[in-house]
Amino acid sequence: EIVLTQSPATLSLSPGERATLSCGASQSVSSSYLAWYQQKPGLAPRLLIYDASSRASGIPDRFSGSGSGTDFTLTISRLEPEDFAVYYCQQYGSSPTTFGQGTKVEIK
Amino acid sequence: EVQLVESGGGLVQPGGSLRLSCAASGLTFSSSWMSWVRQAPGKGLEWVASIKQDGSEKYYVDSVQGRFTISRDNAKNSLYLQMNSLRAEDTAVYYCARVRLRVFDYWGQGTLVTVSS
Repeated sequence: EIVLTQSPATLSLSPGERATLSCGASQSVSSSYLAWYQQKPGLAPRLLIYDASSRASGIPDRFSGSGSGTDFTLTISRLEPEDFAVYYCQQYGSSPTTFGQGTKVEIK
Repeated sequence: EVQLVESGGGLVQPGGSLRLSCAASGLTFSSSWMSWVRQAPGKGLEWVASIKQDGSEKYYVDSVQGRFTISRDNAKNSLYLQMNSLRAEDTAVYYCARVRLRVFDYWGQGTLVTVSS
């Protein structure tokens, strides 16, 4: 199975700053089948990005995804207070689908 | 508005069984692949099982194969997960999720399963 490694584990930033989250895959992710989710404490995950760079319905354009092959990035252009959360990447190009271990974006 | 509401979680002893349910509304349930995804306390997400629209195809993560069974009742807009031979490592919040274009676009609020003596 494909192992996804997210870095950094924790990102400490201030509101208004730019956040760059990385997701590395142990093998190439076919067709850029890579998604990103946001999860806040006590809540279910929310889909942000699919197919590496397509925003899900209702997701603000400050969230963007990029990458291909084994290296993917989630960028939050300017952090809003509600963006402080844990972010997970997921690959669905190979079975079984797998998730990264998460990156926590915390207030500095 | 799409709603997925899980129920059936609780405390169970190792080796015991539990059946989770997920009631769906606000979406065309019978046209949707559905899945269960779990999250151990303080840990990341793990896909558990998926089922095709008509129930003819089912897939499981290796660690639950032969112990868990996913099923659905389209007439009741409901998804189920029968969990047998439960182990401590099955302790987690279990989420019901709709699958669209291979990603999980709608999630329930989750139900906690605790396996402990």
